[in-house]
Amino acid sequence: SQQGEEDPQALSIQEGENATMNCSYKTSINNLQWYRQNSGRGLVHLILIRSNEREKHSGRLRVTLDTSKKSSSLLITASRAADTASYFCATLLNQAGTALIFGKGTTLSVSS
Amino acid sequence: NAGVTQTPKFRVLKTGQSMTLLCAQDMNHEYMYWYRQDPGMGLRLIHYSVGEGTTAKGEVPDGYNVSRLKKQNFLLGLESAAPSQTSVYFCASSLMGQNYGYTFGSGTRLTVV
Repeated sequence: SQQGEEDPQALSIQEGENATMNCSYKTSINNLQWYRQNSGRGLVHLILIRSNEREKHSGRLRVTLDTSKKSSSLLITASRAADTASYFCATLLNQAGTALIFGKGTTLSVSS
Repeated sequence: NAGVTQTPKFRVLKTGQSMTLLCAQDMNHEYMYWYRQDPGMGLRLIHYSVGEGTTAKGEVPDGYNVSRLKKQNFLLGLESAAPSQTSVYFCASSLMGQNYGYTFGSGTRLTVV
């Protein structure tokens, strides 16, 4: 069973537009992480947001966390074709924090 | 700066054969993980290790065994491969656990026929 579930499953936008994807999870968390996976490659860590943080920025990425709703969102501003990838949220397997489990991902396609 | 290296990158096995996937990291990370990725299923955790000599079960451990004899290496074994184990396998490592991002390898594509 997967802790986080991303929505939508797929998203198609034009270059320059913003892309928003959401993640919902089931149990309490210490932190939530977002990863990107380009086709045929391994995952790359994008950003980690702790449970006591509400918003975090990294370049064109903005992540929000709402622990009361058990949800997070990833916003990519001014999307580029190079942002085409799958995006995954990840939460902890257990309270010991020893491993992450991943959602099924959102596939983002940015066309020029 | 190799990071996490997985070998082999591709492999075809016949049902019932055995094999070992090797994961090596050069970042002195304590924690290491094996995941499998299937279409429409995302990544699922198979086994993980929180240090040399330790292993623990993840979400889908059946049919797999692991060993962490050296801190830098994490081996995933399939004793008797089944077609249901056809997948892309990813290894990852992290400095510690929950407050650090993971570094992933590029994957091993395994087909069991």
